[in-house]
Amino acid sequence: RKEVEQDPGPFNVPEGATVAFNCTYSNSASQSFFWYRQDCRKEPKLLMSVYSSGNEDGRFTAQLNRASQYISLLIRDSKLSDSATYLCVAQAAGNKLTFGGGTRVLVKP
Amino acid sequence: NAGVTQTPKFQVLKTGQSMTLQCAQDMNHNSMYWYRQDPGMGLRLIYYSASEGTTDKGEVPNGYNVSRLNKREFSLRLESAAPSQTSVYFCACLGAGELFFGEGSRLTVL
Repeated sequence: RKEVEQDPGPFNVPEGATVAFNCTYSNSASQSFFWYRQDCRKEPKLLMSVYSSGNEDGRFTAQLNRASQYISLLIRDSKLSDSATYLCVAQAAGNKLTFGGGTRVLVKP
Repeated sequence: NAGVTQTPKFQVLKTGQSMTLQCAQDMNHNSMYWYRQDPGMGLRLIYYSASEGTTDKGEVPNGYNVSRLNKREFSLRLESAAPSQTSVYFCACLGAGELFFGEGSRLTVL
């Protein structure tokens, strides 16, 4: 079993709609979590960190559920520019950072 | 301030050849990483170096070696390239909770 797993999608989302997807992790000792965005095989860029209490950054909301070992990302009022692959990352001891396989989101007019 | 620089950006090898991917960062961060990304997949960790002088295996270390030459540089070596190592390779460094990536190196092994 992979350490970090994601639904590969694609999630086809009408412009203006809301989309949400999860990422599960198997290492219960993972300390920190992040969402990255990747466009067209370019280098990933940090979208947001995920805090235990949940956090919001504009139209993006991230949550962490340690009991069930998953994190989630919700995008409200989707824009065409939100089309990308979203990668979740789990950080374990020793700064080991493991990526999930990515979830592809396609926002359509 | 270049951030993370990888060389070469493109390389074609024949099976059995060796090569080294170079990575350098000018951000003064301690931890550095090498990932590979295959079509339709996420990034898989090959090796990482939490600090100068240390290296650790990631998810897919077989067929690779690394050297943390100093705080700035972290190189990845393929001793005997195989077609299965055709991929895009990303180097990254970790600072303030964020990974900073190079632009990637596209390697094709024939």
